[in-house]
Parts: sequence; structure tokens; C-alpha cells
Amino acid sequence: GDSVTQMEGPVTLSEEAFLTINCTYTATGYPSLFWYVQYPGEGLQLLLKATKADDKGSNKGFEATYRKETTSFHLEKGSVQVSDSAVYFCALNTNTGNQFYFGTGTSLTVIP
Amino acid sequence: EAGVAQSPRYKIIEKRQSVAFWCNPISGHATLYWYQQILGQGPKLLIQFQNNGVVDDSQLPKDRFSAERLKGVDSTLKIQPAKLEDSAVYLCASSPAGSAWGEQFFGPGTRLTVL
Repeated sequence: GDSVTQMEGPVTLSEEAFLTINCTYTATGYPSLFWYVQYPGEGLQLLLKATKADDKGSNKGFEATYRKETTSFHLEKGSVQVSDSAVYFCALNTNTGNQFYFGTGTSLTVIP
Repeated sequence: EAGVAQSPRYKIIEKRQSVAFWCNPISGHATLYWYQQILGQGPKLLIQFQNNGVVDDSQLPKDRFSAERLKGVDSTLKIQPAKLEDSAVYLCASSPAGSAWGEQFFGPGTRLTVL
């Protein structure tokens, strides 16, 4: 069945370090791919998305490219800030009935 | 614009008791989702409504869980009777009609502890 496999955490980085969080997926058809972020004490927020192969989603300095050949959607940021500390979830939408599948989440802590 | 509202934020009950959670989606959003998020895991879809009809409830444990969305607006999720393994955060999300590309808006969640 459809699923998302996400890099396990927790991840701890120093401020201004480069971030990569790996995400791979299994899906039939042509899913849409997303990264959601959950800040402490808050609900999930959409961070970025890509709806077809080779699309690049970007927001707040984060980027992810939909790679169909490697079934991946890795999240990257060139220079993390303390305020980026949160849990990041990779997700897919099967586009048939709007059904979503989430990864297990990766906790990121950025230290000054 | 007001976000998705959920109540209560926290609930502690003993096993075999009943509990209900309430969700008020963003005004005008036709689709409403309930997710269960167990500690250390990603959200798992329990049920999806389109207006007041059920689109998907394949992962809802129907022997103990029930949900309704009267009048296609706010929704209630009930657990009766609760088990220890139901301890989790219950998330409500909504999206506008025709949002096939994942524009889900999440509420803050209700943290349930079953003792």
C-alpha cells in the first residue's frame, strides 16, 4: 500500500548549519507530496508541497524536490535558525479520494 | 481568519470510560478529517467527511469509535469504551472543497491519556 518513510531523529544542529531530512515514498499513481511542520504546543502547518515530478516546493528557506525516479522528497535548508526547531512530517496525498499518509516525523533542535 | 478549533485540549480518563472530542473547522471548509497521533508516530487518518457525509472511515475502529458531523459544520469524535492504547493526540483538520493538493489546516489537537 501507499506509505511514507522518513528519516528518524532526533536531529540536533548548530545555528547556520545545513539541514537535510530524508523522505521516500511508496505510492501507486501520481501522488502529491508535502512537508508539514509542528512547532511545540501547536498543530501541524503546511510548510511546502509539490504536485508533480520535478516540481520544487519552497517556503521560509526550506526546499524539497519531487523526484519520481528515486521516489524521494528530501527537505533541505541551507542555514537553520533556532526558530526552526520543530517536528517535521513528510506526507503524501494519493489524489484518489484525498487520502493522506504521514511519515513518523523528525524532531529538529537547533542550538545557538 | 479563525483557525480550526478543538476542545478540550487535554483529557484524562480511566479505561472503559467514555470520552468525546469536538472540532469546529474553518468556516466554509467542506472537508473535515480526524487523525490519531500516537507518541512518536505520524498522524493516522481515522475518518474523513465531505460536508456531512463520510468519505473514508476504513481505519476507524468502529466497535468503539464513532464520529458525526451534523449539518456539515462542526464534528464530534467519541470513544466508548476507551482502552489504554487509545492514549494519543487527536487532531482535527479541514480543507476547502476541491482542495485536491493537500491544503489541510490543523487544529491544536486534544491530548487523551487513558489510565
